[in-house]
Amino acid sequence: DSGVTQTPKHLITATGQRVTLRCSPRSGDLSVYWYQQSLDQGLQFLIQYYNGEERAKGNILERFSAQQFPDLHSELNLSSLELGDSALYFCASSGPPVWGIEQFFGPGTRLTVL
Amino acid sequence: DQQVKQNSPSLSVQEGRISILNCDYTNSMFDYFLWYKKYPAEGPTFLISISSIKDKNEDGRFTVFLNKSAKHLSLHIVPSQPGDSAVYFCAASEGGNTGKLIFGQGTTLQVKP
Repeated sequence: DSGVTQTPKHLITATGQRVTLRCSPRSGDLSVYWYQQSLDQGLQFLIQYYNGEERAKGNILERFSAQQFPDLHSELNLSSLELGDSALYFCASSGPPVWGIEQFFGPGTRLTVL
Repeated sequence: DQQVKQNSPSLSVQEGRISILNCDYTNSMFDYFLWYKKYPAEGPTFLISISSIKDKNEDGRFTVFLNKSAKHLSLHIVPSQPGDSAVYFCAASEGGNTGKLIFGQGTTLQVKP
């Protein structure tokens, strides 16, 4: 158990819909990362938050957005969903004091868009 | 542009033998490299890392070698055990003002009893 929790574990929805994925980092970690893993691919970095502020952005679509709340949990919002958005979405956390090299991953949310 | 590449999608070895997983990268600015292991239906689990200023790091059965001139790293598992069967991801960090990781596509290791 990495200490990082993600909900829900599975999500099935239709094209055009909007969903929210939730992540709680390990106790004390200030940095949260979101990654997307499509079928048989590596993990693609989407976005990083550090202590409530956006720190880095990867190839995140404009239809996707994220935030980190004062209690340090994070949410990834995916809107106007398309079939190609079906993937595993992982959250990871790291730190402190700033961010450690090692990131701890949650179990992921499997999103299926029908 | 794939900055981190794992060219072997799969590897099969016999229990007790050595497993060697390879990874190539293109960005000379990477300052840390990591290996993660992933079982089905679970998130990746950190295995071992190496700084770009070192050429070897060892932790029990796992050793990572870094060849900066060739932009190549490898993970050696000795001896391999059936429980090591999983997908292994190589990842790299640029450091600086972000901790984001760039991942390879993964190599599926099967260790046969």
